[in-house]
Amino acid sequence: DQQVKQNSPSLSVQEGRISILNCDYTNSMFDYFLWYKKYPAEGPTFLISISSIKDKNEDGRFTVFLNKSAKHLSLHIVPSQPGDSAVYFCAAIEIQGAQKLVFGQGTRLTINP
Amino acid sequence: KAGVTQTPRYLIKTRGQQVTLSCSPISGHRSVSWYQQTPGQGLQFLFEYFSETQRNKGNFPGRFSGRQFSNSRSEMNVSTLELGDSALYLCASSSGQAEETQYFGPGTRLLVL
Repeated sequence: DQQVKQNSPSLSVQEGRISILNCDYTNSMFDYFLWYKKYPAEGPTFLISISSIKDKNEDGRFTVFLNKSAKHLSLHIVPSQPGDSAVYFCAAIEIQGAQKLVFGQGTRLTINP
Repeated sequence: KAGVTQTPRYLIKTRGQQVTLSCSPISGHRSVSWYQQTPGQGLQFLFEYFSETQRNKGNFPGRFSGRQFSNSRSEMNVSTLELGDSALYLCASSSGQAEETQYFGPGTRLLVL
């Protein structure tokens, strides 16, 4: 049972425009969410996170939105740059529970010049 | 601080053999988690070790095992290798607090022939 889902395996965006990556989850006990970015031949790198008590967290060009009622989060990248081309994973954790990160399948983002 | 290191980086084995992968966490980190990444399944959690004890376990067969040493270094072992075990194996370290970001190593790419 996939508790964290990224339904778009790939996304292509024009340089300078907004990239929106989506993630849905089924476990209502998740209370902390993270986004990781992964380049080929490297391990994932932490990007941004959000606690379930918030609905938005911003860090430079990256903003994560959380809609708890819809069990949905999204990552916005504005403006998109060629170096943003990578695979993006969302992950969730139940802090008081199992405390293990559950990852989505990833979305490959390609920024076109 | 030095990052998470994994050895070896690449490995080729044949079916039926066994393999041991090593992970050295960031200095001071007590938690090491292992993940398997395949194109079809994305990132899947294998297990987590904290202070030499397995704290969490994913849904993998008993052929996959691990251990952690007193210096927090961790090893993962896969016995009786199958073709489907070909994957990128990633380890991640953190302090062990649930909200702490996990820092990933570069991974070990295992090819089973």
